[in-house]
Amino acid sequence: GAGVSQTPSNKVTEKGKYVELRCDPISGHTALYWYRQSLGQGPEFLIYFQGTGAADDSGLPNDRFFAVRPEGSVSTLKIQRTERGDSAVYLCASSQLAARYNEQFFGPGTRLTVL
Amino acid sequence: KQEVTQIPAALSVPEGENLVLNCSFTDSAIYNLQWFRQDPGKGLTSLLLIQSSQREQTSGRLNASLDKSSGRSTLYIAASQPGDSATYLCAVSGQGGKLIFGQGTELSVKP
Repeated sequence: GAGVSQTPSNKVTEKGKYVELRCDPISGHTALYWYRQSLGQGPEFLIYFQGTGAADDSGLPNDRFFAVRPEGSVSTLKIQRTERGDSAVYLCASSQLAARYNEQFFGPGTRLTVL
Repeated sequence: KQEVTQIPAALSVPEGENLVLNCSFTDSAIYNLQWFRQDPGKGLTSLLLIQSSQREQTSGRLNASLDKSSGRSTLYIAASQPGDSATYLCAVSGQGGKLIFGQGTELSVKP
């Protein structure tokens, strides 16, 4: 597609529920990144994929968070047993290579609200 | 651990003024630095990317400079317009390309 897309744009859930957030990267981009942005803060890195494998998941806050990219394109971020503190905007970005000079392009984000 | 700081946190200027946004980082071993714009409730739009070997990049009324040794970057906006009102974020690229962001500068340009 023309840009990175994310669905849903908004997700409201109850504490303790399971949610899945989807990211469609720019076609042909091999690297995919997930970030989380809390109100008034800059985005914080969660995980990145090079192809199908998670090359760095050091930013995932705990084992309730998990992400997959089974075919090297679309990625899903999964959050189990959601907590109110998980409320944030979840941003996805892609780049042509997970190389240092490559520019990242961001999607519009998914706003997650945990009640 | 890399830390990125942006000053000021908020800035209000009259239309037509030239302005400078500042970004500093603690570890000079970066691969590149990117400036982004974020409108309320929206995602990030990439403005400029400066590779570690470069000193500056220009796009229209925007000019970004990089001084790796001192851990600083500036974003210069010439002849500001109300449409420039947004939050501006800088981010440095570390290993694997993951970005480490500052907290942003919220810019308001008054007509």
